[in-house]
Amino acid sequence: NAGVMQNPRHLVRRRGQEARLRCSPMKGHSHVYWYRQLPEEGLKFMVYLQKENIIDESGMPKERFSAEFPKEGPSILRIQQVVRGDSAAYFCASSPPGALKKLFFGSGTQLSVL
Amino acid sequence: QKEVEQNSGPLSVPEGAIASLNCTYSDRGSQSFFWYRQYSGKSPELIMFIYSNGDKEDGRFTAQLNKASQYVSLLIRDSQPSDSATYLCAVNINSGGYQKVTFGTGTKLQVIP
Repeated sequence: NAGVMQNPRHLVRRRGQEARLRCSPMKGHSHVYWYRQLPEEGLKFMVYLQKENIIDESGMPKERFSAEFPKEGPSILRIQQVVRGDSAAYFCASSPPGALKKLFFGSGTQLSVL
Repeated sequence: QKEVEQNSGPLSVPEGAIASLNCTYSDRGSQSFFWYRQYSGKSPELIMFIYSNGDKEDGRFTAQLNKASQYVSLLIRDSQPSDSATYLCAVNINSGGYQKVTFGTGTKLQVIP
């Protein structure tokens, strides 16, 4: 049973380009969360999605950032017109349906903006 | 007040000692509590969860929950250098009719050989 798969592991973009980060949840998991982490800092919640629905995007900047979790395929976190301040590790986590909400994390995508 | 609070540390303990990590939370209605371990440069890994008052033991790890005091802790017995990591407390917070997992900023643990 494969774990949460994130790709790419490392992504380098120049200022103004677009970054697309992908996350395939564990089999049977219908909930996906995206977190951002700066060095030596905690996990900052960005967005919580279920299949085809955004449940909570309160942690995601209103401009340039978007997320989706389509019926088929991985969840995508998209950052348009990246700036240096977007450089961070982006972690995706999935959880099964139910109230317990145990999260299983992918290996993360390290985004570097030049 | 932050929803989930932890001391950032670092917490230094000698090898073989008990490491005690603490976490407080603000939402009295929270039902589920988690401890994650994160090694430097790696992703968080779930090591313990608890939802009933009292203690829950798993090997060298014990999670303790006191809902009246809104306090959850993690004890690591016989600490090893390999336990050196950042420990993240996470709580299910009620938010607009659903549960959202909210993390503290983490406590960095250093086990000194």
